[in-house]
Amino acid sequence: SQTIHQWPATLVQPVGSPLSLECTVEGTSNPNLYWYRQAAGRGLQLLFYSVGIGQISSEVPQNLSASRPQDRQFILSSKKLLLSDSGFYLCAWSVLGGQGNEKLFFGSGTQLSVL
Amino acid sequence: KNQVEQSPQSLIILEGKNCTLQCNYTVSPFSNLRWYKQDTGRGPVSLTIMTFSENTKSNGRYTATLDADTKQSSLHITASQLSDSASYICVVGLKGSNTGKLIFGQGTTLQVKP
Repeated sequence: SQTIHQWPATLVQPVGSPLSLECTVEGTSNPNLYWYRQAAGRGLQLLFYSVGIGQISSEVPQNLSASRPQDRQFILSSKKLLLSDSGFYLCAWSVLGGQGNEKLFFGSGTQLSVL
Repeated sequence: KNQVEQSPQSLIILEGKNCTLQCNYTVSPFSNLRWYKQDTGRGPVSLTIMTFSENTKSNGRYTATLDADTKQSSLHITASQLSDSASYICVVGLKGSNTGKLIFGQGTTLQVKP
């Protein structure tokens, strides 16, 4: 069965420090991978998605970047964190389901607090 | 502008009672509508997915309805349990995207009290 691992679960970082969040998927190959951010009281916002190794698309211009060094590994990074980067970050992967609908599966999330 | 709006923002009910959550959307072209359950501090988990041609889908005590004409959906929870306390998110998928282009509502926070 497929599983998705995301870590760390919580992170407190000072402004201006670097960031690296990692996500790995097991039990599937060539998944679509996503990074979402969820601000308090807001809907999920898609940050990046990847359809293959080294292929990254950014949805929103920001202080963050993403990389996919391996088929089932997705990394979210920043060189210098801003206060506005605080939020709940979710990694997700998808597979094509019935009737052409993608089924999206989320990781357990990382609560990032930038102080 | 593609938007998904949910109501109410929050809801408190007693254990064993039923409740209905609402979702209105202005998303085009429409592909599908999903309901997710998100426990506090966790990732969302899929409850139902409905396409344009489906107007109801059940998953245990959860029943989702879809009216594609009025662009409305509802999630009905029957005989609520304490474990139903969570945020429920309505999500609409865009047609023609193979990269999971989804528009998320802000969620309804449900609290079930004993």
